[in-house]
Amino acid sequence: DVKVTQSSRYLVKRTGEKVFLECVQDMDHENMFWYRQDPGLGLRLIYFSYDVKMKEKGDIPEGYSVSREKKERFSLILESASTNQTSMYLCASSLAGTGGNTGELFFGEGSRLTVL
Amino acid sequence: DQQVKQNSPSLSVQEGRISILNCDYTNSMFDYFLWYKKYPAEGPTFLISISSIKDKNEDGRFTVFLNKSAKHLSLHIVPSQPGDSAVYFCAASALGNQFYFGTGTSLTVIP
Repeated sequence: DVKVTQSSRYLVKRTGEKVFLECVQDMDHENMFWYRQDPGLGLRLIYFSYDVKMKEKGDIPEGYSVSREKKERFSLILESASTNQTSMYLCASSLAGTGGNTGELFFGEGSRLTVL
Repeated sequence: DQQVKQNSPSLSVQEGRISILNCDYTNSMFDYFLWYKKYPAEGPTFLISISSIKDKNEDGRFTVFLNKSAKHLSLHIVPSQPGDSAVYFCAASALGNQFYFGTGTSLTVIP
């Protein structure tokens, strides 16, 4: 059974703390993504990666960075957490695009981060 | 600027009736569309997809319709069941690149 695993389901951090959110997929997918979900705003793309060591900014990269040292692992880093980063964070993976029917995104269960 | 829009934040339907969820997009380059279902405290799960070369795709109780000229797609659920109560997101991509998601529609199916 295919799986995307996010290391922490619930986290509570203080303002200014460094936060690591880890994501691992076992499907040998090339593409990995980090989204955040907020009420009324849907899923917004933070960063994505099409290959190891490669990263691209999404729509809302400010305040975040990522790391992809291995194909199966994609980490989201909040260098100095702020209250407006309280959100549900969702990791996803997919096969490399083929220019047409690209198949689906597989999501992890999400990490609910609260920044106090 | 939101490239994929779901203008109805919520929808309530009686069990057994049809649920119709709508989605509009602005980017004419989008060629692949998906619908996801999300329960609280869980990640979204894939429901159904459609390529721009088609105008309809069916999978059991779920049918997605695509109107390219209107840049509109819709998801029909027939018959609706209480277990269908969830938030539904539409998503679109162009040439296999990143997916853009709508803001979601919360569906409640009333027993």
